[in-house]
Amino acid sequence: TQLLEQSPQFLSIQEGENLTVYCNSSSVFSSLQWYRQEPGEGPVLLVTVVTGGEVKKLKRLTFQFGDARKDSSLHITAAQPGDTGLYLCAGRISSGSARQLTFGSGTQLTVLP
Amino acid sequence: EAGVVQSPRYKIIEKKQPVAFWCNPISGHNTLYWYLQNLGQGPELLIRYENEEAVDDSQLPKDRFSAERLKGVDSTLKIQPAELGDSAVYLCASSLGTGQAFFGQGTRLTVV
Repeated sequence: TQLLEQSPQFLSIQEGENLTVYCNSSSVFSSLQWYRQEPGEGPVLLVTVVTGGEVKKLKRLTFQFGDARKDSSLHITAAQPGDTGLYLCAGRISSGSARQLTFGSGTQLTVLP
Repeated sequence: EAGVVQSPRYKIIEKKQPVAFWCNPISGHNTLYWYLQNLGQGPELLIRYENEEAVDDSQLPKDRFSAERLKGVDSTLKIQPAELGDSAVYLCASSLGTGQAFFGQGTRLTVV
């Protein structure tokens, strides 16, 4: 059973369109991170959110942490071909093995020119 | 500053053969992770080290997988014997405690 469920699993859109990727769990996270991974490379951190309801913006990317710290979303405005990649959410749970970083199932985004 | 270095980048072996992967974390990072990643999927934790101690290896298939982090710096992950289903990318990451985790480029293993 995946601790973090991402949706959609695959997303193919045209350049200029907007999109939202979701990351959901039944567990409460002390922090949640979003990564982007390109083929042949390791995941690269985009953002970390730690406070329920927190919203962070990184150029055309907007990240939101749910009020209950169980879910998060990534919204991309006016997507560009350079945004193509595998987007991963990862969280550290609030109890137990807090140092463990658990990844979601990933969303493969393709932005067509 | 050098990032997390993994070697080899690619490895092709026949089933039942042994294989080893090496990871050099970022200097000063006490936490080291080994993840397995299948194509298009999220990484799955195999083992996590705090310094030289393996503090979370519940997902490591101990019948064929082993890992070590001597002196709390470099780490090796070994599979013996390898099976066809072990074909995947093996990622190493390091962090300072629960800080940002930095990933290496991974080792792509193909078992034929």
